Amino acid sequence: GQNIDQPTEMTATEGAIVQINCTYQTSGFNGLFWYQQHAGEAPTFLSYNVLDGLEEKGRFSSFLSRSKGYSYLLLKELQMKDSASYLCAVRDGRGGATNKLIFGTGTLLAVQP
Amino acid sequence: EADIYQTPRYLVIGTGKKITLECSQTMGHDKMYWYQQDPGMELHLIHYSYGVNSTEKGDLSSESTVSRIRTEHFPLTLESARPSHTSQYLCASSEFGGAGTGELFFGEGSRLTVL
Repeated sequence: GQNIDQPTEMTATEGAIVQINCTYQTSGFNGLFWYQQHAGEAPTFLSYNVLDGLEEKGRFSSFLSRSKGYSYLLLKELQMKDSASYLCAVRDGRGGATNKLIFGTGTLLAVQP
Repeated sequence: EADIYQTPRYLVIGTGKKITLECSQTMGHDKMYWYQQDPGMELHLIHYSYGVNSTEKGDLSSESTVSRIRTEHFPLTLESARPSHTSQYLCASSEFGGAGTGELFFGEGSRLTVL
């Protein structure tokens, strides 16, 4: 089966750097996604990793280690608008062309002045 | 910006009513999904479709049903709503394969309250 773990809540200061960790156990793996979800809104895509290493996209970076079942999302130069829930999701690699995403519970990040 | 739309955004209805949540996308994606999300909880996949006339149940059992008669349209129906169906329902679509990552594009959600 699938199991995805993330911290429930984190707090950080405006202008700082924060790292949100995600560990997963899957019977099939075909990529890992990070999404941002503001309260009451739809999730929006942030990043995608399928090979080991770091993917950088502006203030956001995401890292993957497939052997350790581990990923992190790094947010730099935090802004108040970064206060949101950050969802880690793993694509189920079983069954050929499937594209089912399994989501973690999300990490609620509060950015303080 | 994603072109995927859900209606209604908010719905409050009484027990026993039949409801349909609409979802449409204009991106030509073959794959569409319905997720259910309770406050502070993870998204659970309840239905998905890989194309016209293809529907499958997701990982979370749901009493709802779906249909996929047209590529762009993936409605979800509850024949007899109950308070346990109170939740947020999120529709998504994706294009998997080729050069893309296959990320999901989400609609803004339909928040259902059953009294």
